[in-house]
Amino acid sequence: SAVISQKPSRDICQRGTSLTIQCQVDSQVTMMFWYRQQPGQSLTLIATANQGSEATYESGFVIDKFPISRPNLTFSTLTVSNLSPEDSSIYLCSVEGRAPDTQYFGPGTRLTVL
Amino acid sequence: GDSVTQMEGPVTLSEEACLTINCTYTATGYPSLFWYVQYPGEGLQLLLKATKADDKGSNKGFEATYRKETTSFHLEKGSVQVSDSAVYFCALRDTGNQFYFGTGTSLTVIP
Repeated sequence: SAVISQKPSRDICQRGTSLTIQCQVDSQVTMMFWYRQQPGQSLTLIATANQGSEATYESGFVIDKFPISRPNLTFSTLTVSNLSPEDSSIYLCSVEGRAPDTQYFGPGTRLTVL
Repeated sequence: GDSVTQMEGPVTLSEEACLTINCTYTATGYPSLFWYVQYPGEGLQLLLKATKADDKGSNKGFEATYRKETTSFHLEKGSVQVSDSAVYFCALRDTGNQFYFGTGTSLTVIP
């Protein structure tokens, strides 16, 4: 299994500012994933982050709004830029496990934008 | 496109009651199906999974059967405990390895 930690666990931010979320995994992983869970909705994949290459963004998500860093095999950051109230969500980091069809999730970062 | 629809909550049950959380899916091909659980303050954890039709996933007294004919993967438990209080997510992984999640169902079990 993989143990994933995220920082911060929650934050309240002002409109127009940015928030950077950190994700740390206790083992080396090739792919890390960032999800968003808006209130009352399902998880939506934002992007896939591979170490040493640009992140791959899903439809509807762009690098300028959600820049991602992946400096090594155990760490990634997601920045949510130019915040608006619509960005209020839970943001989750995830990695694939070694066994087929396994995926592990961090505890999430709850963002509230005023 | 692929999607998952699950029963809306919240669900409140007394201890030892029976639980069913409905989940249906839309997918092309033969997806793998999952139930994840999120306990308060923790990340999502895999509860059980099934990778082909008629497979039954089970764990911690929970069961779900992959029904291709009804495109369903309902979660069941015969006798819930207070410690089962959590949010439950149904999910599928398509043949392109993309995950799709339901909106989650909050379960509260009262003593």
